[in-house]
Amino acid sequence: DAGITQSPRHKVTETGTPVTLRCHQTENHRYMYWYRQDPGHGLRLIHYSYGVKDTDKGEVSDGYSVSRSKTEDFLLTLESATSSQTSVYFCAISEGTSGVFGPGTRLTVT
Amino acid sequence: QKEVEQNSGPLSVPEGAIASLNCTYSDRVSQSFFWYRQYSGKSPELIMSIYSNGDKEDGRFTAQLNKASQYVSLLIRDSQPSDSATYLCAVIRQGAQKLVFGQGTRLTINP
Repeated sequence: DAGITQSPRHKVTETGTPVTLRCHQTENHRYMYWYRQDPGHGLRLIHYSYGVKDTDKGEVSDGYSVSRSKTEDFLLTLESATSSQTSVYFCAISEGTSGVFGPGTRLTVT
Repeated sequence: QKEVEQNSGPLSVPEGAIASLNCTYSDRVSQSFFWYRQYSGKSPELIMSIYSNGDKEDGRFTAQLNKASQYVSLLIRDSQPSDSATYLCAVIRQGAQKLVFGQGTRLTINP
């Protein structure tokens, strides 16, 4: 299996609190992606990175920020969590073609 | 218009038949195309990739690409109950490396 992990795997938080999800890879892949998955919506791209400190927005970036200070880590931050951000979050890594996915993080905002 | 569109299903196919899944994309500059399979509660896993017009076969799976019509399809021959899953179509736009997915098609193979 590709070396990609996500932490935490499950989290319950309250509305208005900040939350940071971590994606860690050991593959030295250049590209990293954050998606959210909700019923009926498939995988929607939040943000992606094409190198250290190089990031760009996806289709559902409002309310989310990201950082990539080193190749192996890509952090997703919800500055002030809302109930609409309750979802399963997947990280993926790529060397420019297909992506390999992490195990996912189930986030519940109450 | 969504960048990648799929019929969300559910698609129900009898065991042993051919399952046909379709996907259309809006950006003509899209360069690479992928099919992922996702079992309930699991992560998506890559099953096929295709980069040029025509058919690509891998075991029971065949991916078909038609860039002029902007569609990609996946055929599953001799469908098995273990093929029951959600199938996600994804595309990468040349130069942008933005990997975008459709909403997925839920496939059920009936014994």
